[in-house]
Amino acid sequence: GENVEQHPSTLSVQEGDSAVIKCTYSDSASNYFPWYKQELGKGPQLIIDIRSNVGEKKDQRIAVTLNKTAKHFSLHITETQPEDSAVYFCASIIGLGTSYGKLTFGQGTILTVHP
Amino acid sequence: EPEVTQTPSHQVTQMGQEVILRCVPISNHLYFYWYRQILGQKVEFLVSFYNNEISEKSEIFDDQFSVERPDGSNFTLKIRSTKLEDSAMYFCASRRGGSSYEQYFGPGTRLTVT
Repeated sequence: GENVEQHPSTLSVQEGDSAVIKCTYSDSASNYFPWYKQELGKGPQLIIDIRSNVGEKKDQRIAVTLNKTAKHFSLHITETQPEDSAVYFCASIIGLGTSYGKLTFGQGTILTVHP
Repeated sequence: EPEVTQTPSHQVTQMGQEVILRCVPISNHLYFYWYRQILGQKVEFLVSFYNNEISEKSEIFDDQFSVERPDGSNFTLKIRSTKLEDSAMYFCASRRGGSSYEQYFGPGTRLTVT
């Protein structure tokens, strides 16, 4: 089955710096890659996603890049703010469009933004 | 903005007891999911549900687990005889379907089996 590896497990940055979180996936049939933010006591919140027919997607301060050849995708957060502090999860779906959409998650990254 | 809701937020039960976790998905969504997260581990897929039947389940989802959509709004996960290792955070999610791939998660139910 699909395996998603996420790095780093913890990331500490100063306010205003950029943060990058990286994930690799194992199954070349994966074609949808969402990123979730989880704050303490809350459920995962979808923040951005990318489909396999796109190499990059941006939404204000966050962006996601996808390298299908390397089976690698990354989350980029620019101009970080203390409220960006949370746990971030990457995930993938194999064959969305032909499957029912089972998400396989990475291990999570604890991002801390220091004021 | 519509959101997925879950009740209760925390459930404590004794080993061997039955529990039912409840979810109200977003109203026009057609696909429903349960995931769980054991403390310190990855979020894991349990089951997906579409058109009033299970569409996919993981090896975790054994005969002790069942899901139901008893009416037009609720989606439940039942664990028949809880074990200590069932202690986890359980998340419900829903997806509209069609060309919409996004899954929206509820706040979770923390299940503690003693």
